[in-house]
Amino acid sequence: QKEVEQDPGPLSVPEGAIVSLNCTYSNSAFQYFMWYRQYSRKGPELLMYTYSSGNKEDGRFTAQVDKSSKYISLFIRDSQPSDSATYLCAMESGGGADGLTFGKGTHLIIQP
Amino acid sequence: DAGITQSPRYKITETGRQVTLMCHQTWSHSYMFWYRQDLGHGLRLIYYSAAADITDKGEVSDGYVVSRSKTENFPLTLESATRSQTSVYFCASSEPVGQEAYEQYFGPGTRLTVT
Repeated sequence: QKEVEQDPGPLSVPEGAIVSLNCTYSNSAFQYFMWYRQYSRKGPELLMYTYSSGNKEDGRFTAQVDKSSKYISLFIRDSQPSDSATYLCAMESGGGADGLTFGKGTHLIIQP
Repeated sequence: DAGITQSPRYKITETGRQVTLMCHQTWSHSYMFWYRQDLGHGLRLIYYSAAADITDKGEVSDGYVVSRSKTENFPLTLESATRSQTSVYFCASSEPVGQEAYEQYFGPGTRLTVT
């Protein structure tokens, strides 16, 4: 079993819909949780960063972490065609020193 | 421009050749990382470095060598390239400050093909 599981999609939704992206993990030592967005042939771009459990909101994006269930989510409200990209969850236990463990990424398509 | 750059952006090489991928960051971040991204595997950590002259292996380090003589540079060398090392390589850097200031920034990537 891989440490971080993420449905690769593709996930296709109409413009304006609420999008829910999820990851599960098995390593209870993970404390730092991130979501990256990656456009085709580009480097990953950090969207959201959360420490431990709870919610964090930034504009149309909300990140949730449930450490008891080892489950993290990213919600995108009022989705736009420009949100079409691959979304990668990532996590880490030591605060930046040891590198990130990534999910495989979910390919999201927002239909105009 | 400030940021993290990688060179070359594209490289084709032959099996058995030595290849070096360059990474340079202008933020003076302490931590630097190399990842590879492959279909079906996602991003996997190759090597990381906490400071100049301090490096450590990641999940998929076999066949790779790194050095870090200066804080801003972190070159990755494939000693004898194999076809299985065909991939997209990303360099990243970060400077953790407390619990809330951890952010890892990625470069644009190097697309390497080994023939």
